[in-house]
Amino acid sequence: AQKITQTQPGMFVQEKEAVTLDCTYDTSDPSYGLFWYKQPSSGEMIFLIYQGSYDQQNATEGRYSLNFQKARKSANLVISASQLGDSAMYFCAMREGSGTASKLTFGTGTRLQVTL
Amino acid sequence: ETGVTQTPRHLVMGMTNKKSLKCEQHLGHNAMYWYKQSAKKPLELMFVYNFKEQTENNSVPSRFSPECPNSSHLFLHLHTLQPEDSALYLCASSQESRFFNYGYTFGSGTRLTVV
Repeated sequence: AQKITQTQPGMFVQEKEAVTLDCTYDTSDPSYGLFWYKQPSSGEMIFLIYQGSYDQQNATEGRYSLNFQKARKSANLVISASQLGDSAMYFCAMREGSGTASKLTFGTGTRLQVTL
Repeated sequence: ETGVTQTPRHLVMGMTNKKSLKCEQHLGHNAMYWYKQSAKKPLELMFVYNFKEQTENNSVPSRFSPECPNSSHLFLHLHTLQPEDSALYLCASSQESRFFNYGYTFGSGTRLTVV
């Protein structure tokens, strides 16, 4: 079974609007971390935001926020006030447990296109 | 330089060639990784090094050979590749802890084309 599922292969959003990118995950480990990365056409994977499984509040980093719904095992990324430079691939990822045995597992990604 | 640096950025090689990809991290991290990113597929973890020791090899064909001479440098040696090996190869590093989940810092990748 897939550990990370991103059901939106592509999304469009108008500049200055908010957009939500979906991510669901599958784990039986009570300790895990959820991450979102942005990959522009240059190829580099840029870390955006992190949510720990024990964190009580949703993570926020500037225009990025993570809508963490633990019971539903979802960790959606919300980008507010979209900018043209937000056009990129977005990947949700998870690490289960802690220590060197756990690895970062990625979803298939969502391509976001911001339009004028 | 800061972060994770990968060279070259682009590489075209024939199936009989031998080439190497280089990764260097300036973050003082103790773990390094090679990932393969093919079109329309999730990132695939290839190799993991912790404190210069290889701790994971995800059934990668022997035509890919990693080398980690120290905790700051990671190489991927390539020989007799196939066209299906064409992909973006990403290097990453992280500071591993027994008690905390850290994310990885990635380089810009090497886009490899096998002809």
